Amino acid sequence: QVQLQESGPGLVKPSQTLSLTCTVSGDSINNANHYWSWIRQPAGKGLEWIGRVYISGNTNYNPSLRSRVTISVDTSKNQFSLKLSSVTAADTAVYYCARYYYDSDGIYYFDFWGQGTLVTVSS
Amino acid sequence: SSDLTQPPSVSVSPGQTASITCSGDRLGDKYACWYQQKPGQSPILVIYQDTKRPSGIPERFSGSNSGNTATLTISGTQAMDEADYYCQAWDTFTPVVFGGGTKLTVL
Repeated sequence: QVQLQESGPGLVKPSQTLSLTCTVSGDSINNANHYWSWIRQPAGKGLEWIGRVYISGNTNYNPSLRSRVTISVDTSKNQFSLKLSSVTAADTAVYYCARYYYDSDGIYYFDFWGQGTLVTVSS
Repeated sequence: SSDLTQPPSVSVSPGQTASITCSGDRLGDKYACWYQQKPGQSPILVIYQDTKRPSGIPERFSGSNSGNTATLTISGTQAMDEADYYCQAWDTFTPVVFGGGTKLTVL
């Protein structure tokens, strides 16, 4: 069974960089049909896609966050990571990592999600 | 803001049919997915490729997509179906877009 687990600090100071890692088990991060994504959800609000990385290292980001986001992959550790710079209170949210299936027929979906980790931005 | 529009809330009586819509420009030309999220839990996929159910999802969940609107239908709604539901597709500038979410209440 595929499992994803987020890890990282639960508290980040304003203007600093939020850093999270997602460890994947039960699947190789090298699978060609998968993108590895970050999604966040402020308390009481909806899901916001942050971005994704492919095994090649190619990335796509939400235009609203692109200037502050970096997502990278470490295939040797079967992990991928998120860095969000210059954080403010508005970045306080539960952050999820998730596996995104995508194939040549244009079929796509998020099929496995981490449990989520709450990151609070506060001094 | 989301380019996929969902009603904030839908109410349904137990045993009745619930319909949750997701509207977006030419959404019918793309595949729509639907996710269920219960309080304190991660979302789970309930519909992909407009109409397909993943293994383990009850048959009472179904989907359709045409024109500018995708619809998630829950037939014979049960109390356990009370949750937030999100649609997902893509747009020209963003490969992943979520709808704003719909809170389904089973009264």
